[in-house]
Amino acid sequence: KNEVEQSPQNLTAQEGEFITINCSYSVGISALHWLQQHPGGGIVSLFMLSSGKKKHGRLIATINIQEKHSSLHITASHPRDSAVYICAVGFNQFYFGTGTSLTVIP
Amino acid sequence: GAGVSQSPSNKVTEKGKDVELRCDPISGHTALYWYRQRLGQGLEFLIYFQGNSAPDKSGLPSDRFSAERTGESVSTLTIQRTQQEDSAVYLCASSLTGRTEAFFGQGTRLTVV
Repeated sequence: KNEVEQSPQNLTAQEGEFITINCSYSVGISALHWLQQHPGGGIVSLFMLSSGKKKHGRLIATINIQEKHSSLHITASHPRDSAVYICAVGFNQFYFGTGTSLTVIP
Repeated sequence: GAGVSQSPSNKVTEKGKDVELRCDPISGHTALYWYRQRLGQGLEFLIYFQGNSAPDKSGLPSDRFSAERTGESVSTLTIQRTQQEDSAVYLCASSLTGRTEAFFGQGTRLTVV
């Protein structure tokens, strides 16, 4: 069993749809990161969470420490949101989920 | 600089040659991480530096891989006698303390031919 499980693995949505990506983990953490990777390979850190909820523009991330679960939500999705979204947890080293490949169709 | 900078952005090398990859973390960040992503696979942890503490090298895949960091500055990842399976994107990240948000570089795409 992987330390970090993401679902779904692939997701196709129509522009404007509300999107949820889930992350469950089994390791202890100091923080959970949501990352975005575009086709060129570059990675951008979207959020770092240790509790509660964070919002940045159309992106919302939540974490439930007791249930070891986090969700990333995208409201009013847009084709430029198409990317791989990766959940990462850990202390000195990060354990990564395998990523969720999101495609938003115009 | 404003972000984590990695160089080169792309490197093609012949099998058996040594390569050196560089990471410039955000100024003042004490924690620095190296990761690798092989084609179609997830990110793999390689090594973690935290201040002047001994680095966590538990992710280095073989003794051909080594990394150095002087203080809280630049880090170099060296791969000796490269093999084709070393082809990957090598990513560096830094964070202020190791328990705060990590910022990722754009990666170095290494191709061993």
